[in-house]
Amino acid sequence: DAKTTQPPSMDCAEGRAANLPCNHSTISGNEYVYWYRQIHSQGPQYIIHGLKNNETNEMASLIITEDRKSSTLILPHATLRVTAVYYCIVRTGGTSYGKLTFGQGTILTVHP
Amino acid sequence: ETGVTQTPRHLVMGMTNKKSLKCEQHLGHNAMYWYKQSAKKPLELMFVYSLEERVENNSVPSRFSPECPNSSHLFLHLHTLQPEDSALYLCASSQEISTKNIQYFGAGTRLSVL
Repeated sequence: DAKTTQPPSMDCAEGRAANLPCNHSTISGNEYVYWYRQIHSQGPQYIIHGLKNNETNEMASLIITEDRKSSTLILPHATLRVTAVYYCIVRTGGTSYGKLTFGQGTILTVHP
Repeated sequence: ETGVTQTPRHLVMGMTNKKSLKCEQHLGHNAMYWYKQSAKKPLELMFVYSLEERVENNSVPSRFSPECPNSSHLFLHLHTLQPEDSALYLCASSQEISTKNIQYFGAGTRLSVL
C-alpha cells in the first residue's frame, strides 16, 4: 500500500472548518484513501473514504486532487469533541481482507 | 458503541501469568483483527482472521496466541509476557469482499505487564 505523509499537528478554532491535508504521491490506480480518527485512549473510528471523486457524509468531506497524489479531509464547524489523532491511510479496496497501515497521523486540537 | 466489545478494559499481569483478551462483534462481519498500540507509536497489525482462518501473522512473538472460534469471537491468549508488551490492544472487525472494507474498532484493552 502507498505511504502517506501528514503534518504532525494542527490547531483549529471551535466552530471553524478544519482542513487536514494528506500527501500520497505514490498512490496507484486501485488504491482508496481512508480517514480514521482516534480520540484519546479509544479505538480508531472510520470517517470517510474515496477513490477519485470527492465524497461527503454526515461527519466530513473528502477532497481528492485530480492526480490523486493528495487529499484533504474537511471537518465543517469543528467542535471540541473532534479533538483527536486523524489518520490518512491508503489501501487497496475490493476483494482482499482489510489491512490498514497506520502512520503517526495528525493531532488535531480544537480550542475554544 | 461500535458493535465491537473488548474485555477486560484494563489488565495488569505479572510476567509469569497467563491471561486472555476477548473480543466480540455484533455486526455480522467475517474478518477480525488484533492491533497493538504502544505509547507514542502507530498502531501495529498483529493478526488477521478472515472466515475464521488466520490469514496474517505479522512476526508476532509466540507468547501471543490468537484464537478465533467463530466469526463473532476473537481471543488473544497471553503468557510469559515482557514489560515492553504493555500497550493498548485493539480488536477490529470488517465485512470483507465488500466495496467499503471499513474496520470497526473496539475500545481496547489497556495491558500493563509488571
